[in-house]
Amino acid sequence: GAVVSQHPSWVICKSGTSVKIECRSLDFQATTMFWYRQFPKQSLMLMATSNEGSKATYEQGVEKDKFLINHASLTLSTLTVTSAHPEDSSFYICSATPREQYFGPGTRLTVT
Amino acid sequence: AQKITQTQPGMFVQEKEAVTLDCTYDTSDQSYGLFWYKQPSSGEMIFLIYQGSYDEQNATEGRYSLNFQKARKSANLVISASQLGDSAMYFCAMREGSSTLGRLYFGRGTQLTVWP
Repeated sequence: GAVVSQHPSWVICKSGTSVKIECRSLDFQATTMFWYRQFPKQSLMLMATSNEGSKATYEQGVEKDKFLINHASLTLSTLTVTSAHPEDSSFYICSATPREQYFGPGTRLTVT
Repeated sequence: AQKITQTQPGMFVQEKEAVTLDCTYDTSDQSYGLFWYKQPSSGEMIFLIYQGSYDEQNATEGRYSLNFQKARKSANLVISASQLGDSAMYFCAMREGSSTLGRLYFGRGTQLTVWP
């Protein structure tokens, strides 16, 4: 069965609005969660590492003020895309330690 | 330098035949892990198989096996008896270090098409 869930599975939003994506670990506590982004026909690229109770660590080139990450509990991390633009349209997917080989089902974001 | 290299953008195989998807990796760590994932058009990343750098035997999971050649830094995925449902994108990935808290580095993927 699934070990990580994501919500929503897909979302369409208007340019300039914000959208929140949730990543939950099921049946285990996740001290660290990883957020990846995948553009069409490309590979997965790590955006940020989310640690429970502390600030997230962002990869080079990822705007931390645009992609807000909150790891508020040992089972939940949220990614908020603020002031979304069409170029933020992508597939966002998470994983969680200690079972980081398993990914959530992903969230497909379309910004119009 | 790329940590994971997949040189085959696309592969074709006939149903019931075996196919090998290539993956080479680059790391200076002695301890690392190698993963293969299947991504169908739905987008979900399906974990297929794992090989640790200290594992002496090649990993196998059902029809999937990992041909691990440490000296050549290659970790090829072999799918035996291909099925139509195997058509998907396949990604090779690596985690460096022995900690389970490591991020994964992914290759560019190989699009596998199985034809009847």
